[in-house]
This record gives sequence, structure tokens and C-alpha cells, in this order.
Amino acid sequence: NAGVTQTPKFRILKIGQSMTLQCAQDMNHNYMYWYRQDPGMGLKLIYYSVGAGITDKGEVPNGYNVSRSTTEDFPLRLELAAPSQTSVYFCASSYTGETDTQYFGPGTRLTVL
Amino acid sequence: QKEVEQNSGPLSVPEGAIASLNCTYSDRGSQSFFWYRQYSGKSPELIMFIYSNGDKEDGRFTAQLNKASQYVSLLIRDSQPSDSATYLCAVKRTGTASKLTFGTGTRLQVTL
Repeated sequence: NAGVTQTPKFRILKIGQSMTLQCAQDMNHNYMYWYRQDPGMGLKLIYYSVGAGITDKGEVPNGYNVSRSTTEDFPLRLELAAPSQTSVYFCASSYTGETDTQYFGPGTRLTVL
Repeated sequence: QKEVEQNSGPLSVPEGAIASLNCTYSDRGSQSFFWYRQYSGKSPELIMFIYSNGDKEDGRFTAQLNKASQYVSLLIRDSQPSDSATYLCAVKRTGTASKLTFGTGTRLQVTL
């Protein structure tokens, strides 16, 4: 199993550009999450999904959109990139149930100039 | 008051010593507690989770939970240089669809 995969690993955007961060998992997890992590900070939840077709906002959703058409994929869309969106983005997935352990992808480092 | 608080460190301990990492949380409805380790430039990886008051041991790691004091800690025995990383405390509240709230992390340095 590849676990949770993310593409790209690095990206530089100009202000106002748009892009999609890709996330996929092959563990048949029903829950998926997007976080951002700013330097020296913890993880902030952007959006999450409890299953295909179901998404909800997290703590910092402004400037982002998500969709979940399949169990495996959970892309994050940035519209009109701003310097404040410079961050490292992590995707994670988990089963529901007793442990709720989240497994993280390797991250995407995004810089907006 | 932050929902999950950790001392940012760095916490410096000599090799072979016990490292003690602490975390407090504000929501008494919290039910599950997780410790993640994050090496610089890498993604978080789960070390341990704990649900019940008391201690839970896994190898060199022991998690301690005190719900009355809203306090969770991680002890690392026989600390090794490879333990040098940032340790993130995360808390799951009841009925929150498995959403975790993370602290900002404590940076641990194990010195030779």
C-alpha cells in the first residue's frame, strides 16, 4: 500500500493564480482531511470529508474549496492565491471507530509570491 | 486560552535520560488524545494514543492522562538522538467526526 500520497511536493504560485493540490489514499479510509502548517505552528484543519460526496469546513476554510467524488481522492483547490496561503499542506485519512488514527501524506510546500 | 497548549521548547535532554513532554487542553468534552512525532520537513507520524485516565506504555514511550486536571503527557525513556523532533499533542472532542485539534508542538533535542 502506498498509504496517503500528495502531489505536487513543491509549488510556487503568483498572486491571483489558482491550483489544485492532489491527495489520494489506498487504505479504504472513509475520513479524509486537509491541514495547513505554518512555520513553528501546529496543524490547522482546512476541510474534511466523512465519505464520498460529503465535505465540511474546518477551522480555516477561507480561500479553499474541496470535493470528494470517490473514496480514494480528496483534492484541495486554491482560488486566487494570496501570500497568506504560503504554507505546508498535509492531507490525512482515517477510519472511523475506536482509534481514529490519522495517517498523513508527505505534504506539499506552497509558496505564493 | 488555546484549546491545546504545549511549551514550544526546545526541551534539551542528554542521551539516555527521560524526556517529559506536557500538554494541557481546555475542553472537558475531549475524549481521545494523541501524540505525533514530526521530524523537520516531514509529515507527522503517530506515536501513541490514549483514552483512559492513567498510563499507557509502548516500548520506550509512556503516555499519561489525567482528565480531571486536563493534562496529558508523553515520557520518553532512554532518549536517543533519533528522538530529536517536534512532538505534537492532538485532542479529539466528542462528536466531532474524528477531527483533531493540534497543539503547536514541543521541540525536543537529545544531546550526546
